[in-house]
Amino acid sequence: AQSVTQLDSQVPVFEEAPVELRCNYSSSVSVYLFWYVQYPNQGLQLLLKYLSGSTLVESINGFEAEFNKSQTSFHLRKPSVHISDTAEYFCAVSDWGSSGSARQLTFGSGTQLTVLP
Amino acid sequence: DVKVTQSSRYLVKRTGEKVFLECVQDMDHENMFWYRQDPGLGLRLIYFSYDVKMKEKGDIPEGYSVSREKKERFSLILESASTNQTSMYLCASSLTDPAFFGQGTRLTVV
Repeated sequence: AQSVTQLDSQVPVFEEAPVELRCNYSSSVSVYLFWYVQYPNQGLQLLLKYLSGSTLVESINGFEAEFNKSQTSFHLRKPSVHISDTAEYFCAVSDWGSSGSARQLTFGSGTQLTVLP
Repeated sequence: DVKVTQSSRYLVKRTGEKVFLECVQDMDHENMFWYRQDPGLGLRLIYFSYDVKMKEKGDIPEGYSVSREKKERFSLILESASTNQTSMYLCASSLTDPAFFGQGTRLTVV
């Protein structure tokens, strides 16, 4: 079974500073990688995804993540954060699971990003 | 846009009650999932279904069951609610990747 590690449970950062949220996963073939964001009292929204192709993927609101197969990492970065980026961020890995009947998402424990004025 | 709708945002139930959490998706997705979310633990898969009347256990199925009689609807059942089932419950659906999530149901068992 896959495992996903988000090393930082809390990341406080000042507005307009850069940020990196780290994510590592256990090695497997044919994994897809995702970052989801959760704003207070809401469900999860897909932020960005890596399925294949370019290892650098970007979101519409300035986040990017790079798939690094050798380091089994998928870190999330943003060069300049805003107050509105305050939320919890979850890294997730999709693979076929033990039964092979459907692709399943395995989540990390989440990183609370708090942007300070 | 894909819409995944959970019937309740907040529920309060008593210990021992039978609880139904309902989830409906409008995109004809084959796969549907139930997760619970707890602080510091992320999301953990309870059950999933890859077709009507087909279901498989996830990582933490104990104390739960599910029902999928129609493709668009996936129900999570707590046969006898206990206080350790107090949590946020999230439903998701997918055709391939990625999965789309509902708004969540915050269940409190007292």
